[in-house]
Amino acid sequence: GAGVSQSPSNKVTEKGKDVELRCDPISGHTALYWYRQSLGQGLEFLIYFQGNSAPDKSGLPSDRFSAERTGGSVSTLTIQRTQQEDSAVYLCASSLAAGQNSPLHFGNGTRLTVT
Amino acid sequence: GENVEQHPSTLSVQEGDSAVIKCTYSDSASNYFPWYKQELGKRPQLIIDIRSNVGEKKDQRIAVTLNKTAKHFSLHITETQPEDSAVYFCAAKEVGTGRRALTFGSGTRLQVQP
Repeated sequence: GAGVSQSPSNKVTEKGKDVELRCDPISGHTALYWYRQSLGQGLEFLIYFQGNSAPDKSGLPSDRFSAERTGGSVSTLTIQRTQQEDSAVYLCASSLAAGQNSPLHFGNGTRLTVT
Repeated sequence: GENVEQHPSTLSVQEGDSAVIKCTYSDSASNYFPWYKQELGKRPQLIIDIRSNVGEKKDQRIAVTLNKTAKHFSLHITETQPEDSAVYFCAAKEVGTGRRALTFGSGTRLQVQP
């Protein structure tokens, strides 16, 4: 597609359930990022993937969060045993190459609500 | 890691006035400083960026300045218009090793009053 695609666009889940969020980056983009944006807040870095290098997981808030990127393309962010404080918009972005000043192209995000 | 501070958190100006948003960063290795604009309900989009080898960059009504010694950079919007109303994020990154992600500031909500 022409841009970064995320699914689902909205997800409502009960506390304690697991959720999976999907990101399809722009074709050819080697860098992929996950950010979290709570209501009215900034962009909190979660994790990023660059090519075949080990991902930078330094932003993951707890071990309930994990992400993978299969085949250097699609990425899935998994949140286990969701808590109400996990409610936020989860934004995925991709760029041509992380080692250069390539602009980030964001998806529309997944709005997660934990009840 | 990098820490980016941004202020003010909210800014209200009259149409036609100028708006200035300021950011500071902590990592002296950072050498790339983009600005993103996020309109209500939409995704953030890059509006302008600057690299550490220049002190100022201008694109029509927007300009960015960078002071590497003081580790701060600013966004200037002149002749503001209602469509400039949005949340603006500054960011910093060390480009070169490819090992670091872009670190964002907390955002500035700009409201341009017609």
